[in-house]
Amino acid sequence: ETGVTQTPRHLVMGMTNKKSLKCEQHLGHNAMYWYKQSAKKPLELMFVYNFKEQTENNSVPSRFSPECPNSSHLFLHLHTLQPEDSALYLCASSQPTGDGNTIYFGEGSWLTVV
Amino acid sequence: ELKVEQNPLFLSMQEGKNYTIYCNYSTTSDRLYWYRQDPGKSLESLFVLLSNGAVKQEGRLMASLDTKARLSTLHITAAVHDLSATYFCAVDMDSNYQLIWGAGTKLIIKP
Repeated sequence: ETGVTQTPRHLVMGMTNKKSLKCEQHLGHNAMYWYKQSAKKPLELMFVYNFKEQTENNSVPSRFSPECPNSSHLFLHLHTLQPEDSALYLCASSQPTGDGNTIYFGEGSWLTVV
Repeated sequence: ELKVEQNPLFLSMQEGKNYTIYCNYSTTSDRLYWYRQDPGKSLESLFVLLSNGAVKQEGRLMASLDTKARLSTLHITAAVHDLSATYFCAVDMDSNYQLIWGAGTKLIIKP
């Protein structure tokens, strides 16, 4: 069982829909992340939360709206998306220490925008 | 511009052969990570390299880090089909929890 769980695993939505991706981590980590992985592109960091506070927003369009109600849960709210937003969305968590900042990924949510 | 470049991006090889994947980066850092991704799956941590000269080995995979050359290598010894996957390196910027990722090396090992 993975320490980071994401739901749903697959989502198909129209451009006018509103949906949310959910992530929960069971590792006791303080930092949580949303990444986007598209075909033929490097992994893109979207948002970082540390102790529930957003510390990074990498110029992500406002049609993606993150929410972090506590250190264990992270949401990505989606509205009026474009077909080019179709991708694998990966949630992750980490706990930076003297041994580095290994990031643990969830299984991902495959999003298709039609 | 901060860059992490992997070479090659695609590699097809026969079982039993040795090969090396290279990861060059453009900024000062002494922390580098290697991950593996199987098709349709998420990323799994393989190695964490935390200092110049660090070497880690797990089975047929060995990773090393040369911070002066800004280079990490992932060496595959006597490849087996199960090692077929995409391998990513990432450099720790040590700020705001950001890792800078390479584009990935897709490795196919033929029986």
